[in-house]
Amino acid sequence: DQQVKQNSPSLSVQEGRISILNCDYTNSMFDYFLWYKKYPAEGPTFLISISSIKDKNEDGRFTVFLNKSAKHLSLHIVPSQPGDSAVYFCAASANSGAGSYQLTFGKGTKLSVIP
Amino acid sequence: GAGVSQSPSNKVTEKGKDVELRCDPISGHTALYWYRQRLGQGLEFLIYFQGNSAPDKSGLPSDRFSAERTGESVSTLTIQRTQQEDSAVYLCASSSLYGQPQHFGDGTRLSIL
Repeated sequence: DQQVKQNSPSLSVQEGRISILNCDYTNSMFDYFLWYKKYPAEGPTFLISISSIKDKNEDGRFTVFLNKSAKHLSLHIVPSQPGDSAVYFCAASANSGAGSYQLTFGKGTKLSVIP
Repeated sequence: GAGVSQSPSNKVTEKGKDVELRCDPISGHTALYWYRQRLGQGLEFLIYFQGNSAPDKSGLPSDRFSAERTGESVSTLTIQRTQQEDSAVYLCASSSLYGQPQHFGDGTRLSIL
């Protein structure tokens, strides 16, 4: 079963507009959520994160929103730039108690920002 | 180096052969993770090392997979008697004691013929 779901495989947005990437999760034990950005032939690059005690975290053009009751998070990029074109992965972790903060990833959303 | 380093970047081998993949974590990072990404899929957790604690092997898909880490340095992931379904990108990540965020290397693309 897929515990982290990104239901949109792809998204196209005009340069300068807002990009909204969505992610849903099913495991209520998840308490930390991250977004990674990935270019072809490179490893994922950490973008922004949020703890379950918060509902919003902002870093420059990137904002992550967490709705715990809906088990939903979203990443907003505004304004979108052509260099933002990449695959975005949503990931979640739960403190297992044994200290293993393994990440559970969604399948990714490919964002294309059109100049 | 400044980031997580993995080698080789690409590996092509015949079915049934053993392969060894290497990961150099960020200096000072005590936690090290291995993940794999099969085509069109998200990353799947394989194994986790934290200092001298027993590793968390819960993600290893079969007993053909094993990994070692010496102290807080280099790790090797070994796949014995490779099968075609082992074809994937194998990614290593490291993090500080408190677990997040994890920083990833560029991966090893493994192709089994």
